[in-house]
Amino acid sequence: GENVEQHPSTLSVQEGDSAVIKCTYSDSASNYFPWYKQELGKGPQLIIDIRSNVGEKKDQRIAVTLNKTAKHFSLHITETQPEDSAVYFCAANGRDNYGQNFVFGPGTRLSVLP
Amino acid sequence: DAGVIQSPRHEVTEMGQEVTLRCKPISGHDYLFWYRQTMMRGLELLIYFNNNVPIDDSGMPEDRFSAKMPNASFSTLKIQPSEPRDSAVYFCASSLHSGGPSGMGYTQYFGPGTRLTVL
Repeated sequence: GENVEQHPSTLSVQEGDSAVIKCTYSDSASNYFPWYKQELGKGPQLIIDIRSNVGEKKDQRIAVTLNKTAKHFSLHITETQPEDSAVYFCAANGRDNYGQNFVFGPGTRLSVLP
Repeated sequence: DAGVIQSPRHEVTEMGQEVTLRCKPISGHDYLFWYRQTMMRGLELLIYFNNNVPIDDSGMPEDRFSAKMPNASFSTLKIQPSEPRDSAVYFCASSLHSGGPSGMGYTQYFGPGTRLTVL
């Protein structure tokens, strides 16, 4: 089945700097790659996603890139702010007819220092 | 929209007791998912439903776990009997993709979770 790895496990940046989180996946059939942000005591919330027919997607300060050949995708956050501090999870959909079986990475704890 | 609603938000019980977690998906969504989150194992998919029918329960850890979806607006996850190793945060999520299986992933919207502690 699908396996998703995520690095780094923790990341500290100064406010205003950029942050990059990288994930790799194992199943070449995966076609959907969402990124979730989880704040303390809350459920994960989608911040951006990308499909396998697209190489890059941007939404204001957040961007995601996908390299299908290498089977890795990355989250880029620019001009970080203290409210960006949270745990971030990448995911890939597993191989089944429905495409809904998400496998999540272990998470990256991002701390933005003021 | 109120989003995915889960109850209770916190549950403390003793080993051997039955635990029932409840979920109301976003109105109109046709997929419902149950996840478990622990420090050791991260976020794991337990089971998911499409149009109230269980599609994949391969993540359900043991026969002590069961899930039902009697209608489009309600689902339960039951643990009987509960054990201390079941302590975790349990999330329900829902998504919308009408038109049958396509192999394409769609956004899953998570509820706030139920923190279960089994003593």
